[in-house]
Amino acid sequence: GESVGLHLPTLSVQEGDNSIINCAYSNSASDYFIWYKQESGKGPQFIIDIRSNMDKRQGQRVTVLLNKTVKHLSLQIAATQPGDSAVYFCAENILTGGGNKLTFGTGTQLKVEL
Amino acid sequence: GAGVSQSPSNKVTEKGKDVELRCDPISGHTALYWYRQRLGQGLEFLIYFQGNSAPDKSGLPSDRFSAERTGESVSTLTIQRTQQEDSAVYLCASSSTGGNQPQHFGDGTRLSIL
Repeated sequence: GESVGLHLPTLSVQEGDNSIINCAYSNSASDYFIWYKQESGKGPQFIIDIRSNMDKRQGQRVTVLLNKTVKHLSLQIAATQPGDSAVYFCAENILTGGGNKLTFGTGTQLKVEL
Repeated sequence: GAGVSQSPSNKVTEKGKDVELRCDPISGHTALYWYRQRLGQGLEFLIYFQGNSAPDKSGLPSDRFSAERTGESVSTLTIQRTQQEDSAVYLCASSSTGGNQPQHFGDGTRLSIL
């Protein structure tokens, strides 16, 4: 079956460095992608999204890159801070009959070291 | 409230009992979703509502699981004759429409079956 997967289960970075979290997807029909941040005991928090007609989208300290040729998605966090420590999920959206359904990867744990 | 609200936040019950989980979506959001998250894993889609109807129930794991939504607002997820494998965090999300819009999550109900 088709799935969304992450390359690195755990990523450790020094405070102030940039972080890059990667995600591979396999469903070429996916037309919308979202990155979520999940802290312990909380629900996923929306970070940034990108539609399949775009290659790059920037937010505040975050950038998402989409490479449709190799079906790869990445999340870049600039000047990583301790508050960025969390599990990050990519999700691909597939439009079904009547609505969208998100398929999530297993997540990457980001640890920010002081 | 401003965000998606779920109750109870924690539920411990004995195997074989029925449980009912509640979700209050963001006001005005027509689309509502239920997901299940097992420990250390990503989110599994359960069911999607557009208004009060459920065009996609494909993720419900068995006929012990059911959900309803009334008044295009509150939704309840019911699990009958609970089993230990049902232990997980049950997350609810809502979005403004059923199209390519970000889903916003509540903090979930942590269900533990003894």
